[in-house]
Amino acid sequence: AQSVTQLGSHVSVSEGALVLLRCNYSSSVPPYLFWYVQYPNQGLQLLLKYTSAATLVKGINDFEAEFKKSETSFHLTKPSAHMSDAAEYFCAVEKSSGDKLTFGTGTRLAVRP
Amino acid sequence: DGGITQSPKYLFRKEGQNVTLSCEQNLNHDAMYWYRQDPGQGLRLIYYSQIVNDFQKGDIAEGYSVSREKKESFPLTVTSAQKNPTAFYLCASSPLGRTPYGYTFGSGTRLTVV
Repeated sequence: AQSVTQLGSHVSVSEGALVLLRCNYSSSVPPYLFWYVQYPNQGLQLLLKYTSAATLVKGINDFEAEFKKSETSFHLTKPSAHMSDAAEYFCAVEKSSGDKLTFGTGTRLAVRP
Repeated sequence: DGGITQSPKYLFRKEGQNVTLSCEQNLNHDAMYWYRQDPGQGLRLIYYSQIVNDFQKGDIAEGYSVSREKKESFPLTVTSAQKNPTAFYLCASSPLGRTPYGYTFGSGTRLTVV
């Protein structure tokens, strides 16, 4: 079955530091991959998605993610954390057209002043 | 602007009551989904529908019911059979045939049993 694993349910960084949130997927074929962000008491917003057009995907708010087939990974990064980045982040995978998304369990990012 | 509207934002339910959560979209999306979110458990799929008058159970459908009489609407009823309904409920939608589109989410309904 399709699945995603997010390593680290809680990540804490200092303001201005690099953000790295990890996501690994299990799939026999390269899937479609997504990162979503959720602020408290709100719905999920799409940050970026991998469509196989390019392995390095840029999203909103300076986030980006790199698809690495050899590592079955799609880690999310941001060069410099802002206080406003504090939120929960979800990785999701869609195996093929029409399939439902499978979500990871989420990583809560805290940003220290 | 197109989007998904969930109402109400906060809902309180007494023991033994059925309550209905509303989800409406004006994105002309074919598929709609209901998720339950509990702390530390991510998103769990309750029901989904890909076409009007048809829907399928997700991973945790027991104690819930849905209908899809219109393309725009996918209400969720939390029945008295759901023993632990306190949670944050999210509705989402997606077009079919436009992979990879992903989902568009509503802003959620927080249900509390009192």
